[in-house]
Amino acid sequence: DTGVSQDPRHKITKRGQNVTFRCDPISEHNRLYWYRQTLGQGPEFLTYFQNEAQLEKSRLLSDRFSAERPKGSFSTLEIQRTEQGDSAMYLCASSLAGGARETQYFGPGTRLLVL
Amino acid sequence: DQQVKQNSPSLSVQEGRISILNCDYTNSMFDYFLWYKKYPAEGPTFLISISSIKDKNEDGRFTVFLNKSAKHLSLHIVPSQPGDSAVYFCAANPSNTGNQFYFGTGTSLTVIP
Repeated sequence: DTGVSQDPRHKITKRGQNVTFRCDPISEHNRLYWYRQTLGQGPEFLTYFQNEAQLEKSRLLSDRFSAERPKGSFSTLEIQRTEQGDSAMYLCASSLAGGARETQYFGPGTRLLVL
Repeated sequence: DQQVKQNSPSLSVQEGRISILNCDYTNSMFDYFLWYKKYPAEGPTFLISISSIKDKNEDGRFTVFLNKSAKHLSLHIVPSQPGDSAVYFCAANPSNTGNQFYFGTGTSLTVIP
């Protein structure tokens, strides 16, 4: 399967704990995005990388959130001191920059529940 | 503030008939639009896109129409099939700010056999 993969698919944690999610993009894609989706809403942009550089961050991305893409391949999203309001589906997407307008391809998401 | 709006949370259509899903936007800088389909427990799957230089794009049973003056786009599915039952999201990309996509809240389509 050469699509976007995310791990874990589900995570239950207690308030105050740290969690880390991983995203593996489509191999030739140089852009990687993180979105958050809550019930009844569409995905909301959090941040994006071109290769290893983090180029945009939403104001939704509080200082408890940090994302990395150290070698320009996989990415991690860490949430420190989780709060119940962080409960959501965290989606990763990747795309290939250049040429015509790009299409973002999504992974299956990581569903986070903070108790 | 919601810059992309899908005002119908749900839609039911008989198999074989046309499904029309609507999307409105407020930001005049949006110039690229996409539709994604989402099944439960899966990520959104790209369906079809349209650039603002066009007013129609067709791919098989799926056609997207764009009315720039009304800031409105629609997705037509003809004929509708039970496998089309999913949540459909409209997304928009502005020309002036990088690559952030703005999504609507989705419309849940049910195609009745």
